[in-house]
Amino acid sequence: GAGVSQSPSNKVTEKGKDVELRCDPISGHTALYWYRQSLGQGLEFLIYFQGNSAPDKSGLPSDRFSAERTGGSVSTLTIQRTQQEDSAVYLCASSLSPFTGQLGWNEQFFGPGTRLTVL
Amino acid sequence: GENVEQHPSTLSVQEGDSAVIKCTYSDSASNYFPWYKQELGKRPQLIIDIRSNVGEKKDQRIAVTLNKTAKHFSLHITETQPEDSAVYFCAASKGSASKIIFGSGTRLSIRP
Repeated sequence: GAGVSQSPSNKVTEKGKDVELRCDPISGHTALYWYRQSLGQGLEFLIYFQGNSAPDKSGLPSDRFSAERTGGSVSTLTIQRTQQEDSAVYLCASSLSPFTGQLGWNEQFFGPGTRLTVL
Repeated sequence: GENVEQHPSTLSVQEGDSAVIKCTYSDSASNYFPWYKQELGKRPQLIIDIRSNVGEKKDQRIAVTLNKTAKHFSLHITETQPEDSAVYFCAASKGSASKIIFGSGTRLSIRP
């Protein structure tokens, strides 16, 4: 596709239910990132993939959050037993590779996000 | 870990005037500093970035400066226009690290 896509665009769920959020990165992009953006707040880093592996999971808020990536492409972010504080926009981004050279970073291209509302 | 602080949180300037947004970072090993613009209801987009081997970078009306000693960097927008109204995020990262830490954002409003 032309850009990063995410689905669903909106998700309303009841407290305690599990949700899965999907990210389709730009074709050929090896790096994939998940962020969370609460209303009026900044971008909170959740997890990063290089290929199918996640070298940095330090941003996951709790063990209810998990993510996987298969085939070096699509990624899913799973939130188990959702809580109201999980309500936010979940953004995915991809880049060609994490960085090039000693001082280089490749631009991250963001998807449109999934707006999650936990009732 | 890295911590990025950004201020002001909101900024209102007259059209045509300049706007300055400042950020500080905590990890002296950080060497890449991008700035993202997020218009209302849209996704963040990279507008300019700077690496630690330079002190200033310009792109038309936008410039970014970096002071590694003081660990702060700034975004300068000159001759502001209505389409500059958005939320701007600074960020910092290490070339060998895997994540980019974002500031809390600045909501810039351009008054006609």
